[in-house]
Amino acid sequence: NAGVTQTPKFQVLKTGQSMTLQCAQDMNHNSMYWYRQDPGMGLRLIYYSASEGTTDKGEVPNGYNVSRLNKREFSLRLESAAPSQTSVYFCASRRQLTGTWGTDTQYFGPGTRLTVL
Amino acid sequence: QKEVEQNSGPLSVPEGAIASLNCTYSDRGSQSFFWYRQYSGKSPELIMSIYSNGDKEDGRFTAQLNKASQYVSLLIRDSQPSDSATYLCAVRVPTGGATNKLIFGTGTLLAVQP
Repeated sequence: NAGVTQTPKFQVLKTGQSMTLQCAQDMNHNSMYWYRQDPGMGLRLIYYSASEGTTDKGEVPNGYNVSRLNKREFSLRLESAAPSQTSVYFCASRRQLTGTWGTDTQYFGPGTRLTVL
Repeated sequence: QKEVEQNSGPLSVPEGAIASLNCTYSDRGSQSFFWYRQYSGKSPELIMSIYSNGDKEDGRFTAQLNKASQYVSLLIRDSQPSDSATYLCAVRVPTGGATNKLIFGTGTLLAVQP
């Protein structure tokens, strides 16, 4: 049971390049999330997916797209990277059973450290 | 006003002392409150959750919630150098849809001095 995995761990891009950050969970969780973490800004939600086939914008969605490929996988795509997207990106998942609204734990992946030059 | 506010610290306490970490939130509709610990270069991990007013204890950790004052705190008794980390307060807010989302504070850096 690996929990939440993310690839790659590190990435350096040039301005304008594109890339996809991959996230997978093996806990059979329904909900998945993408956050970015910047110094002094805390964790900010980019996009989330309540269940397979649905996605919604979070606080800072501009410049990103997501795909919930199946129940296990939730990817984040940067179409044209900008230096402002230099950050640490975390994927998280949550079980979200009926009747447990608000009480399920979010589990985080190890993060992807992205630098855009 | 930020939705979840924490003092960024650093909060420095001697080994064996009680560390007190505080958090305020703005959405009165919030029902669930969480404390995450994050070591440098690592991902956040949940250490406490609290949903009702009052205290909740788990080992050396006590979470305190006061919904009227919109205030959450975390006490760490007998602080150890291994407790040195950034502590993130998170509040679950309803989205009106099928799920809800966590809003995080910027975190408080705790340094426990041997």
